[in-house]
Amino acid sequence: GESVGLHLPTLSVQEGDNSIINCAYSNSASDYFIWYKQESGKGPQFIIDIRSNMDKRQGQRVTVLLNKTVKHLSLQIAATQPGDSAVYFCAENMSTGSQGNLIFGKGTKLSVKP
Amino acid sequence: DTGVSQNPRHKITKRGQNVTFRCDPISEHNRLYWYRQTLGQGPEFLTYFQNEAQLEKSRLLSDRFSAERPKGSFSTLEIQRTEQGDSAMYLCASSLDAGLYEQYFGPGTRLTVT
Repeated sequence: GESVGLHLPTLSVQEGDNSIINCAYSNSASDYFIWYKQESGKGPQFIIDIRSNMDKRQGQRVTVLLNKTVKHLSLQIAATQPGDSAVYFCAENMSTGSQGNLIFGKGTKLSVKP
Repeated sequence: DTGVSQNPRHKITKRGQNVTFRCDPISEHNRLYWYRQTLGQGPEFLTYFQNEAQLEKSRLLSDRFSAERPKGSFSTLEIQRTEQGDSAMYLCASSLDAGLYEQYFGPGTRLTVT
């Protein structure tokens, strides 16, 4: 995969504000997308997923938006809390092709200021 | 325990030694995946199993790497003749079955090759 180095894009928000994390995915044939949260020293934690037949899905405090035209995915976190501080990754999968291969995007580090 | 577990959590080894990691997936999950993650990057797919069958291997999986899932439950990942470039976090994930199912990750095994 493409090397992204050690410096992740960083989003810094104030506690209580809304956060929007963006992701550009690579394969127009991908039909399943997942957002993961990863805290330091831990494995990725599933947040929310969306299938390509939808353009929006809501969870608890989180909303994922999918724009297939421009291959763009976003994660919105409402009322961001200090516990939301982590690195967020989007991942894509293609059900009609290799079903084992989740392709992860470049992560975004979310920093929440109290 | 309902999550994916991995052992050991940390492994320090000298270059040239062999190491083996273990992953216990969520019970009743048929699919098991191995990923590798280096600092500042998203996880990269290595291989996956459907029950005991290894269905796909990434080109990242050199011939020094071998993975097994002998009874369709736990899996092991062995690296022979370790190199410093093998230093990374090795993540295991499992999912219910083929198709559009979220993958749940374990905490990872941090490998350091000196």
